[in-house]
Amino acid sequence: ELKVEQNPLFLSMQEGKNYTIYCNYSTTSDRLYWYRQDPGKSLESLFVLLSNGAVKQEGRLMASLDTKARLSTLHITAAVHDLSATYFCAVARGNNNDMRFGAGTRLTVKP
Amino acid sequence: GAVVSQHPSRVICKSGTSVKIECRSLDFQATTMFWYRQFPKKSLMLMATSNEGSKATYEQGVEKDKFLINHASLTLSTLTVTSAHPEDSSFYICSASYGGGTYNEQFFGPGTRLTVL
Repeated sequence: ELKVEQNPLFLSMQEGKNYTIYCNYSTTSDRLYWYRQDPGKSLESLFVLLSNGAVKQEGRLMASLDTKARLSTLHITAAVHDLSATYFCAVARGNNNDMRFGAGTRLTVKP
Repeated sequence: GAVVSQHPSRVICKSGTSVKIECRSLDFQATTMFWYRQFPKKSLMLMATSNEGSKATYEQGVEKDKFLINHASLTLSTLTVTSAHPEDSSFYICSASYGGGTYNEQFFGPGTRLTVL
């Protein structure tokens, strides 16, 4: 069974600081996704990582994938308050894109 | 492109009634639609996967007679919560994929918040 573990579950940061969220998964996967969710809202797609060594960056967020270690990271650079949200990683496999989500990391960026 | 809508966005119902939630792909044909459930401050749990014209495949522990899923067309799937109870109160999110491209990315709807009194 595919399991996805995220840590930390809660993260409180000061503005301007850097931090990394980790996503481990248990079995071979085809794709890894990162999503952002604001309170009461649905998911906003951030990144999709398809291959070993993939690195994608958008603004202050950078995601990477190590398929051998079954690990993805979401790195936050110089955090700002607007980044406060819950971040989910999700791992997909199979033709149907069967997807399993991590527990989510609730990020709070304080002034 | 790849917009998914859900209706209603919020619904409040009395215990024992049934509630239907619609999920539509607005600008593409969705060969597969997914239904997720999210409890407050929790992750998304996949409830079922449906392919157009076929019966839905339910995840272990999800009652198929309670959560009826119909994927009658390539742009519409419905989730009916039958005889709803307060414990069914949750945020329900659908997603759709069209099976094209290099990967079958899921596009998520805005969600439906169900409150059962």
